[in-house]
Amino acid sequence: GAVVSQHPSRVICKSGTSVKIECRSLDFQATTMFWYRQFPKQSLMLMATSNEGSKATYEQGVEKDKFLINHASLTLSTLTVTSAHPEDSSFYICSARDTSGIYEQYFGPGTRLTVT
Amino acid sequence: EDQVTQSPEALRLQEGESSSLNCSYTVSGLRGLFWYRQDPGKGPEFLFTLYSAGEEKEKERLKATLTKKESFLHITAPKPEDSATYLCAVLPDSSYKLIFGSGTRLLVRP
Repeated sequence: GAVVSQHPSRVICKSGTSVKIECRSLDFQATTMFWYRQFPKQSLMLMATSNEGSKATYEQGVEKDKFLINHASLTLSTLTVTSAHPEDSSFYICSARDTSGIYEQYFGPGTRLTVT
Repeated sequence: EDQVTQSPEALRLQEGESSSLNCSYTVSGLRGLFWYRQDPGKGPEFLFTLYSAGEEKEKERLKATLTKKESFLHITAPKPEDSATYLCAVLPDSSYKLIFGSGTRLLVRP
């Protein structure tokens, strides 16, 4: 149980284009999902918190117009990187909090974004 | 300020050589402390949640313990497949956002 999937696992795009990453909770409902970014050999950096049916809450320094988050259902959240630039290249990971559980967050496998 | 510090940054063990990883934390109030395992190029894998001082949890060769100031992840007779980065995170009672430590990179040599 408690499986979170992400799609795609890897994506390469050209500078100036937009990329959408999907995060799904496969066997549980998640009213809250989180998006993280991870640089090589560093820990996870929280970008935003998304709650189903409401606007995402972004961490300080994260551009909400560049990183669009939509949490349209209890099992799906999407992150769209708009007008991507090489500095947006990173490992993006989502997590989901099981509504029926206590506080555990379960993480997806991550998406490697490379902007050329 | 809520903070999590993990030590050591890196640890090299011989197969079968038991050791412990440390996670020290300062938080105004603790909802829970979490241990995750992360393999290169993958998302963190949930291992344990600890809620109160004195609590212990075990899974195969791993055992996690919690005091009011720190948590230990004990690895007994590790195998090469235990090589990974181990992340500790706390959930303060003022938020639902995890606060992560920088991790301990464990390498177990055969």
